[in-house]
Amino acid sequence: KAGVTQTPRYLIKTRGQQVTLSCSPISGHRSVSWYQQTPGQGLQFLFEYFSETQRNKGNFPGRFSGRQFSNSRSEMNVSTLELGDSALYLCASSLALRVTGELFFGEGSRLTVL
Amino acid sequence: AQTVTQSQPEMSVQEAETVTLSCTYDTSESDYYLFWYKQPPSRQMILVIRQEAYKQQNATENRFSVNFQKAAKSFSLKISDSQLGDAAMYFCAYRSGDGGATNKLIFGTGTLLAVQP
Repeated sequence: KAGVTQTPRYLIKTRGQQVTLSCSPISGHRSVSWYQQTPGQGLQFLFEYFSETQRNKGNFPGRFSGRQFSNSRSEMNVSTLELGDSALYLCASSLALRVTGELFFGEGSRLTVL
Repeated sequence: AQTVTQSQPEMSVQEAETVTLSCTYDTSESDYYLFWYKQPPSRQMILVIRQEAYKQQNATENRFSVNFQKAAKSFSLKISDSQLGDAAMYFCAYRSGDGGATNKLIFGTGTLLAVQP
C-alpha cells in the first residue's frame, strides 16, 4: 500500500513568487492535514480537509490556502512568498476525522525562499 | 488554548540502555489524546505510541511505553533496550477530543535523541 506522497520534494523560489504543493493521501483516506515545520516555530498546523471541505484552519495569513479534490488529493498554495515561508511542509492523511487512528505523514516538501 | 512542552532539546543514550523523554501539556479539556511521534533524519514522521486520556492504563508498544500522569498533565516516553535505529527527533503531540471533529495535532518542540554504540 503506497504511503502519503508529496510533490515536489524540494523547491527553491524567490520572494514574491507563489508556490503550489501537492499531497496524495493513502488510498481510502479522506482526511488530509498540512503542517509547517521550521527550526524556530516547530510544527504548526496549517489546515485540514475532509470530503473536499476545509474543516479547520491554523493561525496563518490568508496567503496560505489549500483545497482538496474529489479523489482526496490535496494542494496547498502560498502566494507572495516571504523569506519566513522557508520550511518543510508536511502533509498527513487519515481515514476520517475524530478517530483514534493515526495520522500518516508524507516525507514533506522542503521550500526555500531566496 | 492547549500547549505541549518538551523541556529536553537533546538527549543521549547508550545502545541497550533505557531513556525517558519528558512531555507536559496544558489543557482544560476532559477528552483528548496524546501521541509520541518519531521523525528520523530526512524521513517521514511515524507514530510511536498513543494514549487516550480516559484510559488509566499506560500504553505500551514493544520497547516503547508511556507514563501518563493525568493530574500532573505529564506524558513521558520510555524507550527500553535502545537501538541505533531509535535515533531521531521525538515529538509529543496533543489532539483534542472535544469541540468537534478534528485531526489537528499540537506538537511540542521536540527532543533530539542520539543513541551511542
